[in-house]
Amino acid sequence: KNQVEQSPQSLIILEGKNCTLQCNYTVSPFSNLRWYKQDTGRGPVSLTIMTFSENTKSNGRYTATLDADTKQSSLHITASQLSDSASYICVVSRSLNSGYSTLTFGKGTMLLVSP
Amino acid sequence: ETGVTQSPTHLIKTRGQQVTLRCSSQSGHNTVSWYQQALGQGPQFIFQYYREEENGRGNFPPRFSGLQFPNYSSELNVNALELDDSALYLCASSSNYGYTFGSGTRLTVV
Repeated sequence: KNQVEQSPQSLIILEGKNCTLQCNYTVSPFSNLRWYKQDTGRGPVSLTIMTFSENTKSNGRYTATLDADTKQSSLHITASQLSDSASYICVVSRSLNSGYSTLTFGKGTMLLVSP
Repeated sequence: ETGVTQSPTHLIKTRGQQVTLRCSSQSGHNTVSWYQQALGQGPQFIFQYYREEENGRGNFPPRFSGLQFPNYSSELNVNALELDDSALYLCASSSNYGYTFGSGTRLTVV
C-alpha cells in the first residue's frame, strides 16, 4: 500500500533552536519527494523537492535529506523562528504507467515554536 | 504569473445538498488535481484532470465529480452532502514537476 508516515506527530521547540522532522514512505514507483509548509487553514507551500538521485536539498534555513534505499527523508530546520509554527507535510509523487503522476501526503508534523 | 485561486473561501451547506467549488489554475499549468483535507489529517487525493479529461481518481464515491474547462480552470461538485464531507478542499495546478496549491475552500456540512 502506498503510504507516507511522518514523525513526530507534533513538536514544541524554543525560538532559535533546531529541529528535525522525519518521513518514511512506501510509495512506488517513486518519482520525487517534496516537503511542504502549511499554515492553518491555508494551502501547502513548497519548501523542497528531491528526485531519486538527490540526497540533500536546502532552501534557506530548511534542509531536506533523502535516502532512497531506506525510503526515508528528513527536514531539518535551523535557528527556528516564531513564523515557522505550521504543519510540515511530506509528499511523495509517483508516476503511473498511464503517464500521469499522483501525490501521496503524510499527515504532517505540527510544529510550534515558542518564544 | 498568477497563482491558484479557489472560491469560495468558506461555505456552509446542509446535509443532502449539492455544492460546487471552483479553482483557477496557474498560468502555463494544464493539469488540475483536487484534494480533501480533514482536520488534523493530510490531504487525500480526489481526482485529477488533464486537458479537460479525468486521468486519475482516488478512493472517493461517484457523488464527487469534476470538470476542467478549456482555460484549465476546474470545478469540484459534490452531491448528496454528508457530515463527513466537512473539510478543507484544496486544488493544485501542475505542469511537469511543479505543483501550486490554492488556499482552499473550507466546507462545513451541518
